[in-house]
Amino acid sequence: DQQVKQNSPSLSVQEGRISILNCDYTNSMFDYFLWYKKYPAEGPTFLISISSIKDKNEDGRFTVFLNKSAKHLSLHIVPSQPGDSAVYFCAAKGQAGTALIFGKGTTLSVSS
Amino acid sequence: KAGVTQTPRYLIKTRGQQVTLSCSPISGHRSVSWYQQTPGQGLQFLFEYFSETQRNKGNFPGRFSGRQFSNSRSEMNVSTLELGDSALYLCASSLDSANTGELFFGEGSRLTVL
Repeated sequence: DQQVKQNSPSLSVQEGRISILNCDYTNSMFDYFLWYKKYPAEGPTFLISISSIKDKNEDGRFTVFLNKSAKHLSLHIVPSQPGDSAVYFCAAKGQAGTALIFGKGTTLSVSS
Repeated sequence: KAGVTQTPRYLIKTRGQQVTLSCSPISGHRSVSWYQQTPGQGLQFLFEYFSETQRNKGNFPGRFSGRQFSNSRSEMNVSTLELGDSALYLCASSLDSANTGELFFGEGSRLTVL
């Protein structure tokens, strides 16, 4: 039973355009939602997060939107840059002491 | 501040053997989690240790085990290796206190089972 779903395995975007990565979840007990970025041969690195009490969080070119009623979140990257090409993982966790659960990832390719 | 260190980085084993992977968390971090990454399956949660106790466990068979020492360093062991155990094994540590879910990952141990 997959609690965090990223239904698009890949996304291709041109440099300067917006990248939108989507994520759905099934567990209504999740409190925090995070996005991680992973380059080949490196461990994932934290990108941005959002608490369940908010619906938007922004950090520079990265914005995460949360729609609790739809159990859906998205990551917007504006403008997209070639260096953004990586695998993006959506993750979620519940109350203190629970594990961080990841989706399968979306590979973003930004062409110049 | 040193990051999460995993050893070995690469290893090759044959079916039926066992393997032990090591993880040194960031200094001061008491929580250590282990994940398996395979193509098409993303990051699958194995287990989490906090203060030498297994706090959470994923849906993996009993061949996968782990432990945490008093200095927060952690090891995971896979016994009776199968071809399907070939994967990147990632360790991550966290402060845990804020419960924001932010983990700091190592570069992983790439296991190949022949």
